[in-house]
Amino acid sequence: KQEVTQIPAALSVPEGENLVLNCSFTDSAIYNLQWFRQDPGKGLTSLLLIQSSQREQTSGRLNASLDKSSGRSTLYIAASQPGDSATYLCAVTPQGRGYSTLTFGKGTMLLVSP
Amino acid sequence: GAGVSQSPSNKVTEKGKDVELRCDPISGHTALYWYRQSLGQGLEFLIYFQGNSAPDKSGLPSDRFSAERTGGSVSTLTIQRTQQEDSAVYLCASSTRNTTDTQYFGPGTRLTVL
Repeated sequence: KQEVTQIPAALSVPEGENLVLNCSFTDSAIYNLQWFRQDPGKGLTSLLLIQSSQREQTSGRLNASLDKSSGRSTLYIAASQPGDSATYLCAVTPQGRGYSTLTFGKGTMLLVSP
Repeated sequence: GAGVSQSPSNKVTEKGKDVELRCDPISGHTALYWYRQSLGQGLEFLIYFQGNSAPDKSGLPSDRFSAERTGGSVSTLTIQRTQQEDSAVYLCASSTRNTTDTQYFGPGTRLTVL
């Protein structure tokens, strides 16, 4: 059974810092990996999707990397802002099904202080 | 265009009652997923619908849970004889058929069973 672990569970940083969120998964037979953001009382917003054949994806101040063989992904946030405060979730899609039943980690709760 | 909508946003019920949760996916999305997010737990997959194909119900935790999707659009998740452990946020997501496409999540329904 696929298990996804996110470290740290919570992180508090001052505005302007660069930071890294970590995600690991036990079964490397994945189709893709996604990073989501969840704000309190709201649904999930997809940030980045990395296909299994890719090594990284970038969007603005966000960069996500994927090392499929070692079962690891990182989300790098540059020059953090208070508006980045949210819970960040990592999720993987298993190979072979033809559709995307995501397996999620428990998330990293990020607080960026002004 | 409009995103995924869910209703109600909050539901409080007494133990033993039945509840129905509704999801309206993005127009044109053929794939629909239900997930559950319990306190202290990650998001768990419940059920997947794709067009007129038989749904993947492998994530439903017990036979008290059922779901249907009428006309390939709106979906209803029904929980019979609710228990306190059913208290959670129930999230719905939709996507195109292609597994490389991201899932778009609704805001969720927060269910509290007293």
